Amino acid sequence: NAGVMQNPRHLVRRRGQEARLRCSPMKGHSHVYWYRQLPEEGLKFMVYLQKENIIDESGMPKERFSAEFPKEGPSILRIQQVVRGDSAAYFCASSNQPGEGYTFGSGTRLTVV
Amino acid sequence: GIQVEQSPPDLILQEGANSTLRCNFSDSVNNLQWFHQNPWGQLINLFYIPSGTKQNGRLSATTVATERYSLLYISSSQTTDSGVYFCAVGEGGGADGLTFGKGTHLIIQP
Repeated sequence: NAGVMQNPRHLVRRRGQEARLRCSPMKGHSHVYWYRQLPEEGLKFMVYLQKENIIDESGMPKERFSAEFPKEGPSILRIQQVVRGDSAAYFCASSNQPGEGYTFGSGTRLTVV
Repeated sequence: GIQVEQSPPDLILQEGANSTLRCNFSDSVNNLQWFHQNPWGQLINLFYIPSGTKQNGRLSATTVATERYSLLYISSSQTTDSGVYFCAVGEGGGADGLTFGKGTHLIIQP
């Protein structure tokens, strides 16, 4: 059981470029959550997805950010036209049942230069 | 939204000591989880405990939902216990994300 796989581990983008973060949930888990952690802060909820559905995106910035969890393949968090304030660690978690014990991936550290 | 407060914010202990970390929340919850973020940034789920008491080795947790707090106990601390401990709560029966506290930064000295 490989756990929750996130890639890349580190991503450097120039201002204005696009960032794509990938998350493969644990085998058998169909609930995926994305969180963002800014330096010296706790984690902030961004979006909750099930296969082909966005369940709750109340934590997602209204512009430039989008997420999907297609029928096949990993969940993708996409950030268009990145700015320096997007620099953070982005964590994905999955669960077997909605809201129950999360398993987190190792995160993607995004640096915008 | 719901507020989550963790205390103490920082804690430095010698190896072998015991500790109690507290999490207070401002409203009723039906989801509460404790996580350990190690110095390498990895987040480990310690407990899913919306109510009651659970134990796992040297760690145990108790949530008193009616009084809106949870406690995490660490006994016989080891240096590998160092890191940040987060409490996270949810209100919506799973159809929403968790609200995290700011964490307790624990340092265990040899």
